[in-house]
Amino acid sequence: SQQGEEDPQALSIQEGENATMNCSYKTSINNLQWYRQNSGRGLVHLILIRSNEREKHSGRLRVTLDTSKKSSSLLITASRAADTASYFCATDISGANNLFFGTGTRLTVIP
Amino acid sequence: EPEVTQTPSHQVTQMGQEVILRCVPISNHLYFYWYRQILGQKVEFLVSFYNNEISEKSEIFDDQFSVERPDGSNFTLKIRSTKLEDSAMYFCASNLAGGRTGELFFGEGSRLTVL
Repeated sequence: SQQGEEDPQALSIQEGENATMNCSYKTSINNLQWYRQNSGRGLVHLILIRSNEREKHSGRLRVTLDTSKKSSSLLITASRAADTASYFCATDISGANNLFFGTGTRLTVIP
Repeated sequence: EPEVTQTPSHQVTQMGQEVILRCVPISNHLYFYWYRQILGQKVEFLVSFYNNEISEKSEIFDDQFSVERPDGSNFTLKIRSTKLEDSAMYFCASNLAGGRTGELFFGEGSRLTVL
């Protein structure tokens, strides 16, 4: 299985702190994507990083990808209470968006 | 902002009944997907659909499942004879140009409860 596994499973931080979530996967990929899910809601795409990229930024988000270690990290800087959600990495092997999601990290940002 | 809409938001059905979940993808999108999330578990890929046919399907998507785009706007998932283990949140997603743009737009989901 090439499904990702996130680490940690749960993370609780104070508002203003940075949050780092990690994802490991097992097979070669075309790209890796990060999604956010508020409780009971749909998934919202955050950022996509392709296999030939090492780092990508979007606003307060920074994603890294290490294909040699088959791992990725998502950094949220200057966290806000509104960032409270579950964050999932998803791997795309073929580039067709048939994604394999990880187990998710539940982030709680305390105001 | 354009969004993917799904109906119903929640459906309760008896085991063995047929269920149809409906989705209206974003209007100019060409690729359509169904995913499901059993409570407390991972989001799982079911099927992708392009040009009026299935592009790829997972092992979960067996003969009990079918998809259809009946009228150019709706995209439906049918479960022919529901089982208890089909209870899950079903997410529809769409994408403009497949893997070339990457970003999937998900609906809010349809929660299916099979009794």
